[in-house]
Amino acid sequence: QKEVEQDPGPLSVPEGAIVSLNCTYSNSAFQYFMWYRQYSRKGPELLMYTYSSGNKEDGRFTAQVDKSSKYISLFIRDSQPSDSATYLCATLKTSYDKVIFGPGTSLSVIP
Amino acid sequence: NAGVTQTPKFQVLKTGQSMTLQCAQDMNHNSMYWYRQDPGMGLRLIYYSASEGTTDKGEVPNGYNVSRLNKREFSLRLESAAPSQTSVYFCASSRDRGIGYEQYFGPGTRLTVT
Repeated sequence: QKEVEQDPGPLSVPEGAIVSLNCTYSNSAFQYFMWYRQYSRKGPELLMYTYSSGNKEDGRFTAQVDKSSKYISLFIRDSQPSDSATYLCATLKTSYDKVIFGPGTSLSVIP
Repeated sequence: NAGVTQTPKFQVLKTGQSMTLQCAQDMNHNSMYWYRQDPGMGLRLIYYSASEGTTDKGEVPNGYNVSRLNKREFSLRLESAAPSQTSVYFCASSRDRGIGYEQYFGPGTRLTVT
């Protein structure tokens, strides 16, 4: 079983839609949860990170962690064509550990 | 402020050839990392350097060597390239080893080994 799993998509939504991207993880010891955005042929870019459970909001983006079900989500409100990218979830047990990345979900926002 | 830069952007090698991928960061970060990204696999850590003068193996170190040349630069060497090393290679940095959750990535090097 992979430590972090994501549906690879592709996910295609109309502009303005609310997007929900999800990951599951297997190790209950994971404490830090990150979301990276990766445009085609570019390096990943950190969107946000959260520690332990709960929500974190940054503009149109909300990250949510449910440790009881080992489920992490990224919500994008009022999606824009510029949000079209691959979204990688990632996690680690402590801030000193190596990061475990999911394989990414490809998102297309259609004008 | 360029962030993390990588050279070359693209490279084609024949099996058995060697090459060095270069990475530099101008953010005064202490920790640097090398990853490879393959379809469906996610990013996998090859080597990392927690601070200048130290290097450690990651998840998939076989076939690679690294050098932390100074605080800014961290290179990855393939001594005898194999087709299994065809991948996209990313260098990343973080302010410290203890802030692994906040890494900044370079644009990547696309390597094909024939």
